[in-house]
Amino acid sequence: QVQLVQSGAEVKKPGASVKVSCKASGYTFTDHYMHWVRQAPGQGLEWMGWIKPNTGDTTYAQKFQGRVTMTRDTSMTTAYMELNRLKSDDTAVYFCARQAPPAPNLIDYWGLGTLVTVSS
Amino acid sequence: DIVMTQSPDSLAVSLGERATINCKSSQSVLYSSNNKNYLAWYQQKPGQPPHLLIYWASTRESGVPERFSGSGSGTDFTLTISSLQAEDVAVYYCQQYFTTRGTFGQGTKLEIK
Repeated sequence: QVQLVQSGAEVKKPGASVKVSCKASGYTFTDHYMHWVRQAPGQGLEWMGWIKPNTGDTTYAQKFQGRVTMTRDTSMTTAYMELNRLKSDDTAVYFCARQAPPAPNLIDYWGLGTLVTVSS
Repeated sequence: DIVMTQSPDSLAVSLGERATINCKSSQSVLYSSNNKNYLAWYQQKPGQPPHLLIYWASTRESGVPERFSGSGSGTDFTLTISSLQAEDVAVYYCQQYFTTRGTFGQGTKLEIK
């Protein structure tokens, strides 16, 4: 069965960076885009971007351009999302999510999320 | 980017009654070459990640109860729960996957009246 296992919660200071990992199993890692979506406390879903695991190509939401980097390690079937220059309003649960087969931006499986807290 | 706007922001419906949630996109998400609307609906229960309910605006994901249905085309879409059950209490999101950068609506919180 498809599983996306994310790294544990992080506490960071403003200005620092965070790198969240997402270990995929139960399917061919390189066949599906991996998306990253975040959710601030009590707020809605915010799409951050995706990576194509077979090529490493990425597309980011304009809001995060220059501050986010998505990478992958195909040998480890793991995707990573690094967010730099953290601010307090980056406090959120960060989800990795697998592309559903019919279309690149459709999502079918989600990780459980990684809470990132930014606080001085 | 396409902006997705849902209405209402919250909704209270009695058990067994119909619940209707609307979603409007700032531009059409209908792809003329295949006549498909690139619109999905997700359900999110507290403390859980979202769950895909509907894609192509009206196709139910495997395992989703028949009481959930989607309709609409172009820029206006609707999620309908025909007979609300207690386990349907959740926040519902629409998402367009028409463009390279997907976007979500702000969410609609569904509660029991």
